Amino acid sequence: AQKITQTQPGMFVQEKEAVTLDCTYDTSDPSYGLFWYKQPSSGEMIFLIYQGSYDQQNATEGRYSLNFQKARKSANLVISASQLGDSAMYFCASPCRQLTFGSGTQLTVLP
Amino acid sequence: EAGVAQSPRYKIIEKRQSVAFWCNPISGHATLYWYQQILGQGPKLLIQFQNNGVVDDSQLPKDRFSAERLKGVDSTLKIQPAKLEDSAVYLCASSLRGSPPDRDTEAFFGQGTRLTVV
Repeated sequence: AQKITQTQPGMFVQEKEAVTLDCTYDTSDPSYGLFWYKQPSSGEMIFLIYQGSYDQQNATEGRYSLNFQKARKSANLVISASQLGDSAMYFCASPCRQLTFGSGTQLTVLP
Repeated sequence: EAGVAQSPRYKIIEKRQSVAFWCNPISGHATLYWYQQILGQGPKLLIQFQNNGVVDDSQLPKDRFSAERLKGVDSTLKIQPAKLEDSAVYLCASSLRGSPPDRDTEAFFGQGTRLTVV
């Protein structure tokens, strides 16, 4: 079974600054992937970005990018130029046999 | 493209009563998930279907929870009898497939059913 760990229960960032949300994974499967989802207070789960274990480059999607370090088994989400609308819970998740989620990080963007 | 539909959105029941949730996944999605999300926590997988077969139900409390996915499309999740600790949001999600991991395993979520057991 795989395990996803998010060690930051809460993070604060000033508007327009960048922030990094941590995610580490524990899997023995050589083929894996990692998703990041955003969950605003309204409750819906919004897909942000995906990284495959065989991808040669770090994934990027607009203001979102992944700092993917296979040796450290980490896939940290970087949000550049934070906006007030980025305030939400952020979850790291990995599909293996099951789609497993971490415990999440509550990000608050300060004006 | 229509998203994942769930009903009801909200449900309040007394402990020991039964309740059922319904999910209609995105058309063509073979994999369907039911998650339980307690306030402030990450979603916990209850059961994963591939078409109409169960891939994983290791975290489903089978003494009180049951789920089915007839004909590999719609799914229902039932709790009988409910306990206070079952109060949570129940999320249904679907993906084109569950494995091997790539973009086709991206899960699309419904809006969830918020269950309150009193």
